Amino acid sequence: NAGVTQTPKFQVLKTGQSMTLQCAQDMNHNSMYWYRQDPGMGLRLIYYSASEGTTDKGEVPNGYNVSRLNKREFSLRLESAAPSQTSVYFCASSVTLQNYGYTFGSGTRLTVV
Amino acid sequence: AQTVTQSQPEMSVQEAETVTLSCTYDTSESDYYLFWYKQPPSRQMILVIRQEAYKQQNATENRFSVNFQKAAKSFSLKISDSQLGDAAMYFCAFLTGANNLFFGTGTRLTVIP
Repeated sequence: NAGVTQTPKFQVLKTGQSMTLQCAQDMNHNSMYWYRQDPGMGLRLIYYSASEGTTDKGEVPNGYNVSRLNKREFSLRLESAAPSQTSVYFCASSVTLQNYGYTFGSGTRLTVV
Repeated sequence: AQTVTQSQPEMSVQEAETVTLSCTYDTSESDYYLFWYKQPPSRQMILVIRQEAYKQQNATENRFSVNFQKAAKSFSLKISDSQLGDAAMYFCAFLTGANNLFFGTGTRLTVIP
């Protein structure tokens, strides 16, 4: 009954450091997504994976890479973190692209100093 | 381009009263889905209600209902018998066949005891 699990929940990075945000879902969903949430801007799509083995850019992909490791796991990597990437990151999953709504993880608060 | 507009950054309601949150959207698509998500202080994104654009009947989930006006591209959320637990950020979201879930900037709802 875990749904979508994100790790870590909080992270502080120095400018230029790299890190990977992990996401796993146990609902056998085909599609997975990474969003970022900034104050006053709602959630914006970074990357998505329609199915295992595929990934595509969303609205704000610059500075990020993703890997769909298997059907359960979808990771987001920051190769060289910048202060502009300070945000709350959400992973989500759904049965198909057009779907019954997304299931979200609890988010990762990332601060880049 | 798809856009979602929530013109009320903040709203407040007395406990047990009714409140309506506004949302308008812009799209050239004819087939799409609309959602309202609730985000309490825990950060978790929780699906409140969903509406398919091809359905004329307004969706209802217990105390939550929508007023969907397709021609006006309006999708408001009505919360009846407001409870303290309804206090949260509410996001209107729009999903098209191109798979991106577009979010509005949110409305912060305060429930006054």
